[in-house]
Amino acid sequence: AQTVTQSQPEMSVQEAETVTLSCTYDTSESNYYLFWYKQPPSRQMILVIRQEAYKQQNATENRFSVNFQKAAKSFSLKISDSQLGDTAMYFCAFMKLSAGGTSYGKLTFGQGTILTVHP
Amino acid sequence: GAGVSQSPSNKVTEKGKDVELRCDPISGHTALYWYRQSLGQGLEFLIYFQGNSAPDKSGLPSDRFSAERTGGSVSTLTIQRTQQEDSAVYLCASSLVPGGTYTFGSGTRLTVV
Repeated sequence: AQTVTQSQPEMSVQEAETVTLSCTYDTSESNYYLFWYKQPPSRQMILVIRQEAYKQQNATENRFSVNFQKAAKSFSLKISDSQLGDTAMYFCAFMKLSAGGTSYGKLTFGQGTILTVHP
Repeated sequence: GAGVSQSPSNKVTEKGKDVELRCDPISGHTALYWYRQSLGQGLEFLIYFQGNSAPDKSGLPSDRFSAERTGGSVSTLTIQRTQQEDSAVYLCASSLVPGGTYTFGSGTRLTVV
């Protein structure tokens, strides 16, 4: 079974600054995806970024980037130029893939980090 | 529809009553998932549908919980004899194919009093 751990229950950052959210995971699988999701007060989960484990290059998506350390089983999210709209709960998640690279898509989530961006 | 729709948005029920939560996925999405989010917690997997069948229902916490999907579309999660520990947000998600990008609904907040 996989586990995902987010050790920071809450974080805060000033607008325009950079913040890093931590995530570690435990798995014996070699083939998987990792995700960061954002959950604003509307409750709807929004995909922020995805990383394929077989890719060494860290994924980036505009102001969002990850630091993926496969050997250390670490997957942190860096938010640059933080904006007020980034205030939300952020979840790290794991999806196991089969040997053929497919998956039925079950996600295992961490406990979440509440991020507050201050003006 | 354009997104995943869940109803009701909020539900307050008395302990011991049965409740039904509905999920209307994006048209054409074959995979559908239910998750539960207890207060301040991460999301906990409940059940996965591929079409109308449920290959994985390992996350259903007890036999009071059941779910079905009809016509490869709408899904209903039923909780019988609700208990206070069932209070949570129930989120539904769908994807075009299994393992594809999820689209989540806005969830149903269930409160058992």
